[in-house]
Amino acid sequence: DAGITQSPRHKVTETGTPVTLRCHQTENHRYMYWYRQDPGHGLRLIHYSYGVKDTDKGEVSDGYSVSRSKTEDFLLTLESATSSQTSVYFCAISESGGINSPLHFGNGTRLTVT
Amino acid sequence: RKEVEQDPGPFNVPEGATVAFNCTYSNSASQSFFWYRQDCRKEPKLLMSVYSSGNEDGRFTAQLNRASQYISLLIRDSKLSDSATYLCAVTPNTDKLIFGTGTRLQVFP
Repeated sequence: DAGITQSPRHKVTETGTPVTLRCHQTENHRYMYWYRQDPGHGLRLIHYSYGVKDTDKGEVSDGYSVSRSKTEDFLLTLESATSSQTSVYFCAISESGGINSPLHFGNGTRLTVT
Repeated sequence: RKEVEQDPGPFNVPEGATVAFNCTYSNSASQSFFWYRQDCRKEPKLLMSVYSSGNEDGRFTAQLNRASQYISLLIRDSKLSDSATYLCAVTPNTDKLIFGTGTRLQVFP
């Protein structure tokens, strides 16, 4: 299995509080991604990174920010959590960004915003 | 129109049956294609990449039809352990992988 660790695995937080999810990889892959998965919507890309300090938005980036200060770590921050951000969040890594290079996923973080 | 579409199912099949799923994509310039398997409350795991010439891995066969813009997954001799959700994924341009919402398969004894 790809060396990807997400933390925390589960979190319950209140509306309006900031939340940071962490993704750590040991594969030295250039690309890292954050997806959320919800019933009926499947996996939707939030943000991704193609190198240290290089990030770009996905299709559902509103309300989220990311940072990548080291190759191995990619942080997802919800500045002020809302109930609509209750979801399962998956981090993924890829050697070359999806072109002939599949993504490998972490175990996921279950976030509940009350 | 969604970029990647799948029939959500469920497909309920008996053990030993052959079952096929399709996945359509809208961007004709899409370059890479994959099938993932996801078990309940688990992360998606790569099942196989889909090559232009098609490819086979044991009981699983994947095909790409660029003219009609779809990929397919065929599972032969279905096992109970094949019960899962199967996600297709497409790279419409560089860097990003877009996923379908998945097709649920339930194999019964």
